[in-house]
Amino acid sequence: QQQVKQSPQSLIVQKGGIPIINCAYENTAFDYFPWYQQFPGKGPALLIAIRPDVSEKKEGRFTISFNKSAKQFSLHIMDSQPGDSATYFCAASSNTAGNKLTFGGGTRVLVKP
Amino acid sequence: NAGVTQTPKFRILKIGQSMTLQCTQDMNHNYMYWYRQDPGMGLKLIYYSVGAGITDKGEVPNGYNVSRSTTEDFPLRLELAAPSQTSVYFCASSSPDTAYGYTFGSGTRLTVV
Repeated sequence: QQQVKQSPQSLIVQKGGIPIINCAYENTAFDYFPWYQQFPGKGPALLIAIRPDVSEKKEGRFTISFNKSAKQFSLHIMDSQPGDSATYFCAASSNTAGNKLTFGGGTRVLVKP
Repeated sequence: NAGVTQTPKFRILKIGQSMTLQCTQDMNHNYMYWYRQDPGMGLKLIYYSVGAGITDKGEVPNGYNVSRSTTEDFPLRLELAAPSQTSVYFCASSSPDTAYGYTFGSGTRLTVV
């Protein structure tokens, strides 16, 4: 059972555009929602994370929007650059032993120069 | 700091062979995890550990075993390799001190033929 659904699977934007990646979750016990960035041949790296007590969080050009009632959250990449071309994963976890993350299926983002 | 170190980076196994994927972290993190990533898919949790001597199954544990004799090491054992275990394997660690953000290793690409 996939508990975190991510869309789209891939995205192509021009430099300066704003790629938007959406995720939806089912488990209402989830209380931590990180985004990871993965470059080819590398492990995922934590990009930004949010908890459900806030509706938006910004770190540099990356913004998470969170809608608790809809059980959805999204990543916006402002003023995207070719160096942002990577695969992005959303994830979620609940406050249980081990803080196990459930990952979405990933979105491959290509930013064209 | 080396972070999370995985060895080997690549391996080809024949069906029925066994091997151990090594994972070591030098951040004194309590929690450690093994995920597998299939092409175009998200990460699936195989096993996790909340501390030395404690391990538990994740979403896809069949065909694998783990041990956690020290805080630093969390090896993953594949017994009787099958083509379905062809994947990229990632080890990760986290702790409450890092607000539970995961640090991933660079992965082991395993092919079973």
